[in-house]
Amino acid sequence: QVQLEQSGAEVKKPGASVKVSCKVSGNTVSDSSMHWVRQAPGKGLEYMGGFDPDEGEIVYTQKFQGRLTMTEDTSTDTAFMELSSLRSEDTAVYYCATAGLTLGEALDNWGQGTLVTVSS
Amino acid sequence: DIQMTQSPPSLSASVGDRVTITCRASQSIRGYLNWYQQKPGKAPNLLIYVATNLQGGVPSRFSGSGSGTVFTLTISSLQPEDFATYFCQQTSTTPWTFGQGTKVEIK
Repeated sequence: QVQLEQSGAEVKKPGASVKVSCKVSGNTVSDSSMHWVRQAPGKGLEYMGGFDPDEGEIVYTQKFQGRLTMTEDTSTDTAFMELSSLRSEDTAVYYCATAGLTLGEALDNWGQGTLVTVSS
Repeated sequence: DIQMTQSPPSLSASVGDRVTITCRASQSIRGYLNWYQQKPGKAPNLLIYVATNLQGGVPSRFSGSGSGTVFTLTISSLQPEDFATYFCQQTSTTPWTFGQGTKVEIK
């Protein structure tokens, strides 16, 4: 059973960066198709980016191009999402999730979410 | 990017009711449409993948249908634990995109 454990809540000032971690257990991070989704307070789900099996690389939603970096540490089976130049609109719960390659890339395992608050 | 439009944005229903939620894609996504349930303060939970396939552990009262651009999620007999928000998501073309959600409330 795959489990994803995310790092704790963060409070950041506008212009700063935040790095959220997602530790994988029950599988290795390198064998996981990792994706990141965020949800602003009271709003819907917003896909940020993740591994595209057709491209064989991480693909970012254009909205976040230049500000978003997704990385992995295979020694600790941990994935990271770093968002820079934070603004108030980035206040949200950030989720990591893995896609099932036999499930049409549906997100079948989710972390518990990490609240990132951007405030001066 | 492919736009996903859900309807209705919210609905009120009673226990035992049959509920249908529709998701429309701005272009064909073949069958690459997934449905999630989300309860307040919790991560989303996968219900249906590739339009019609029930995820393991999900009750059989949930079903999905559709292809191309129009898809539906049906709950055959609404149960108290089904009051939640439901999201569709396309995984046909990156960047994947979600519908805006449908909140199912108690009547």
